[in-house]
Amino acid sequence: GAVVSQHPSWVICKSGTSVKIECRSLDFQATTMFWYRQFPKQSLMLMATSNEGSKATYEQGVEKDKFLINHASLTLSTLTVTSAHPEDSSFYICSASGTGGVSPLHFGNGTRLTVT
Amino acid sequence: AQSVAQPEDQVNVAEGNPLTVKCTYSVSGNPYLFWYVQYPNRGLQFLLKYITGDNLVKGSYGFEAEFNKSQTSFHLKKPSALVSDSALYFCAVRDIMAGNEKLTFGTGTRLTIIP
Repeated sequence: GAVVSQHPSWVICKSGTSVKIECRSLDFQATTMFWYRQFPKQSLMLMATSNEGSKATYEQGVEKDKFLINHASLTLSTLTVTSAHPEDSSFYICSASGTGGVSPLHFGNGTRLTVT
Repeated sequence: AQSVAQPEDQVNVAEGNPLTVKCTYSVSGNPYLFWYVQYPNRGLQFLLKYITGDNLVKGSYGFEAEFNKSQTSFHLKKPSALVSDSALYFCAVRDIMAGNEKLTFGTGTRLTIIP
């Protein structure tokens, strides 16, 4: 089946630094990837839709200058949390769909970000 | 706008008993419906989907779900629960009319199977 790899699985950083999270589709090409954020005991909140070769589409309330998304190839999207603060601590999950439409999204295993 | 409701935050079932996790949806057109399971500190794993056709959909690990258009529901079921089924379950919907792949998730239901 389709595999999405997300790296790192966890990261601890100091306040004010930037952190990059990678999301790769290993055995399929993904023109679209999605980035979600999940707070403890809550559902997934869609942050942005990452489009290969073009700008990401951000959901309302998500700061595009803080959460930089790059989708430079059909198999890689990156999320960079810039100037991280403790309130950015969360579980970030990426997903991709190989053929769209009726295909389910396949999810990475998530990245636990802790900002100290 | 599309939305999903999972009315139960927590469901407890004795091992070996049948289980049901409820989901209702709202879309402007015809829905694509999905169930996902999440284990602690992991991403979501796809269980099953309804696109069209037979209202009873069978998926991974013995789970199934029944699409009910009149009740706009897509409840997840399993005839005999296992302790290993304990996890967080999410229902999701994609609106065909929206023309994109965006999924909207419910708030999740924590399923606990009691040995």
